[in-house]
Amino acid sequence: QVQLEQSGPEVKKPGASVKVSCEASGFTFDSYGVCWVRQAPGQGPEWLGWTSPYSGDTHYALSFQGRVTMTSDSSTNTAYLELRNLRSDDSAVYYCARVGLWFGEVDVGQADYWGQGTLVTVSS
Amino acid sequence: QSVLTQPPSASGTPGQRVTISCSGSSSNIGTNYVYWYQQFRGTTPKLLIYRDNQRPSGVPDRFSGSKSGTSASLAISGLRSEDEADYFCAAWEDSLSAVVFGGGTKVTVL
Repeated sequence: QVQLEQSGPEVKKPGASVKVSCEASGFTFDSYGVCWVRQAPGQGPEWLGWTSPYSGDTHYALSFQGRVTMTSDSSTNTAYLELRNLRSDDSAVYYCARVGLWFGEVDVGQADYWGQGTLVTVSS
Repeated sequence: QSVLTQPPSASGTPGQRVTISCSGSSSNIGTNYVYWYQQFRGTTPKLLIYRDNQRPSGVPDRFSGSKSGTSASLAISGLRSEDEADYFCAAWEDSLSAVVFGGGTKVTVL
């Protein structure tokens, strides 16, 4: 079965960086995309961007460009999210999700399987 | 302030039909597909509808999606107590070059 296993909770100080991992299993990693979505308590989800493990291509939401890097390692079926220059309002649960396909093509809005989430707390 | 606007709450009795609206603009819903997600308290979001009206395998046909112009709707027919959850719409927003989500609608089964 499709599974996405994320790394554990993180506590960071303002200005620091955080790197979250997402290990995939149960499907052909290179055939899909991986997106990252965060959700602050009581808020709706916020999309950060997505990456193609096959090509290495990335697409970041404009609001995160310059602060975010998404990478993947096909040898370990693992995707990574790095967020830099953290602020207190970056505190949230960060999710990775598989980007589903539509007739073989990545359908960016279709996050069909999700990781369990990683709590990132930014506090001085 | 979310780019996509949803009512904060909706409710119904068991067996009723409940509809949740999602209002956007020409730069998101008007030209791009709509997706719906279901999230139970404290759990991970689950894809409910993709590409306006497509259901992933395993999603009951009680859930249906539709779109007209710059608005979309999620309908839940034959409402059940286990449908109590938060529901979010999402769509690509051309001006932000990102997928944007609505603020969510909490469905209560009375």
